[in-house]
Amino acid sequence: DSGVTQTPKHLITATGQRVTLRCSPRSGDLSVYWYQQSLDQGLQFLIQYYNGEERAKGNILERFSAQQFPDLHSELNLSSLELGDSALYFCASSVEPGAHDNEQFFGPGTRLTVL
Amino acid sequence: EDQVTQSPEALRLQEGESSSLNCSYTVSGLRGLFWYRQDPGKGPEFLFTLYSAGEEKEKERLKATLTKKESFLHITAPKPEDSATYLCAVRAVDSSYKLIFGSGTRLLVRP
Repeated sequence: DSGVTQTPKHLITATGQRVTLRCSPRSGDLSVYWYQQSLDQGLQFLIQYYNGEERAKGNILERFSAQQFPDLHSELNLSSLELGDSALYFCASSVEPGAHDNEQFFGPGTRLTVL
Repeated sequence: EDQVTQSPEALRLQEGESSSLNCSYTVSGLRGLFWYRQDPGKGPEFLFTLYSAGEEKEKERLKATLTKKESFLHITAPKPEDSATYLCAVRAVDSSYKLIFGSGTRLLVRP
């Protein structure tokens, strides 16, 4: 158990809908990262937050957005869902980006299925 | 463009048959190379971080090594419970702290 929690574990929805994925980082971690894992693309970085502020963006679609709240939990919002958005979505957390031993610890993921 | 390539894609071993997994990388500047283990349907589990060429780290039957262009994950006398996908990732020297992952090596250890 990494200490990172994600809810829900599974999500089944229809095309065009909007969903919210939630992540709570490990106690003491200030930085949260979101990744998408699909069969053909592997693990892809989406976005990073540090202490409530957006720090870096990866291949995140405009239909997707995220935020980190004052209690450091984070939410990833996916809207206008398409079949191709079906994937595993992982959240990871780390102490702070600049720390030398800045390993990222991953949560169990949310499996999103868009029908 | 920063890139990570892992080989082989899949590896089948008999229990006790040692082998190595390869991770080659192209990155503008390396801040760290990470190895993770991932079981089906679960999140990646952190194994090692390597920072500079020549560095080695060990954990039970696993040993990770790093050169300027690649990293190896050596598995000594593997057991069936070592079966998993092993992922390699790099963090580049830039303003982001994202990890760039390879596609992984699926390891199956047969009893």
